[in-house]
Amino acid sequence: GQQLNQSPQSMFIQEGEDVSMNCTSSSIFNTWLWYKQDPGEGPVLLIALYKAGELTSNGRLTAQFGITRKDSFLNISASIPSDVGIYFCAVTDSGNTPLVFGKGTRLSVIA
Amino acid sequence: GAGVSQSPRYKVAKRGQDVALRCDPISGHVSLFWYQQALGQGPEFLTYFQNEAQLDKSGLPSDRFFAERPEGSVSTLKIQRTQQEDSAVYLCASSSQPYLGDTQYFGPGTRLTVL
Repeated sequence: GQQLNQSPQSMFIQEGEDVSMNCTSSSIFNTWLWYKQDPGEGPVLLIALYKAGELTSNGRLTAQFGITRKDSFLNISASIPSDVGIYFCAVTDSGNTPLVFGKGTRLSVIA
Repeated sequence: GAGVSQSPRYKVAKRGQDVALRCDPISGHVSLFWYQQALGQGPEFLTYFQNEAQLDKSGLPSDRFFAERPEGSVSTLKIQRTQQEDSAVYLCASSSQPYLGDTQYFGPGTRLTVL
């Protein structure tokens, strides 16, 4: 089945640093989503991207939908301890196919 | 307002037992989804309901897995004759939109451990 590749798998950063992670696919998708999952909780939607080349911000988060529609990245600026968690990318074909999730990037923030 | 709730939060079953996992979606949401999340993995789609109709069950791993949503609200995922490989977190999500993708609100999940 379809696989999304997320990198890095895990990262340790100092509080206040900026973070960048990305997600790639071998197939084209028209909708890219970024979720965050805290321990013992379900994923929470952070940003949704619907247009190739689109750059969208949500507070300290910025995500871009690659022009080829096969990749996306998520940036977090000035990280804080509550940014700790697992970040998943997910894709769908304009909402007509089930969401496919990547394996996640585990972020740890050192105070 | 209340989010998606799931019960029980934790379930331990002996191999071969049947289990039933419950999901209470956000009130009024037409779409309901079940996902399976193995340790260290992302959620994997199991099945999708639009109101009471099960429109997609392509992700159910075997005929031991059965889901229902008889009145278009609460849903139950049933696993018969549980096996060790069924151990995972089972997530439920709901959406106000009648689509398979897009904005979904997840519950906290039920962690199933099969001994």
